Amino acid sequence: AQSVAQPEDQVNVAEGNPLTVKCTYSVSGNPYLFWYVQYPNRGLQFLLKYITGDNLVKGSYGFEAEFNKSQTSFHLKKPSALVSDSALYFCAVRGYNNAGNMLTFGGGTRLMVKP
Amino acid sequence: GAVVSQHPSWVICKSGTSVKIECRSLDFQATTMFWYRQFPKQSLMLMATSNEGSKATYEQGVEKDKFLINHASLTLSTLTVTSAHPEDSSFYICSARGGSSGSSYNEQFFGPGTRLTVL
Repeated sequence: AQSVAQPEDQVNVAEGNPLTVKCTYSVSGNPYLFWYVQYPNRGLQFLLKYITGDNLVKGSYGFEAEFNKSQTSFHLKKPSALVSDSALYFCAVRGYNNAGNMLTFGGGTRLMVKP
Repeated sequence: GAVVSQHPSWVICKSGTSVKIECRSLDFQATTMFWYRQFPKQSLMLMATSNEGSKATYEQGVEKDKFLINHASLTLSTLTVTSAHPEDSSFYICSARGGSSGSSYNEQFFGPGTRLTVL
């Protein structure tokens, strides 16, 4: 079965500094990896995904993620954090259950960007 | 882009009543819809997967008689929490997967969520 680990419950960063939110995964076969962001009392918003190709994936709002097959990681990054980036971030991997393909989520990482 | 709506966005009900939550794919056909539950400061837990026209597949530990799922059309799935109790209070999020060709094919799109509070 597939799994996703986000080792940090919370990441604190100052506005303007680079940020990294970590994610490692376990899945059989080629990984399809995703990052979503969730603001309070809202659903998930898609940020970016890795299917194949370039290991550095660029997504919405200036975020990017680097796929590292040897380390089974897919860390989310942004060169310069904004206060408005403060939210809950989820890494996910596509796997399969009896009903077909589905997403398995990590536990989430709360990003706090301070002015 | 593909849009998924949920209704209501929040609901407060008395213990023992039933609550229905609707999930609609607005601009694409979704052969598969997913229902997730999220507790405060926790991740999304998949409750069930529903395919249009067939019975839902429930995850282990989810009571199918308590959480009734109907996926009667390619754009609508409903989750009914029957005889709700305070421990059912949670944030429920649906997701729809595009089932035909096009940009939404085989991708999951999420609704904005429904906050259920059972008194």
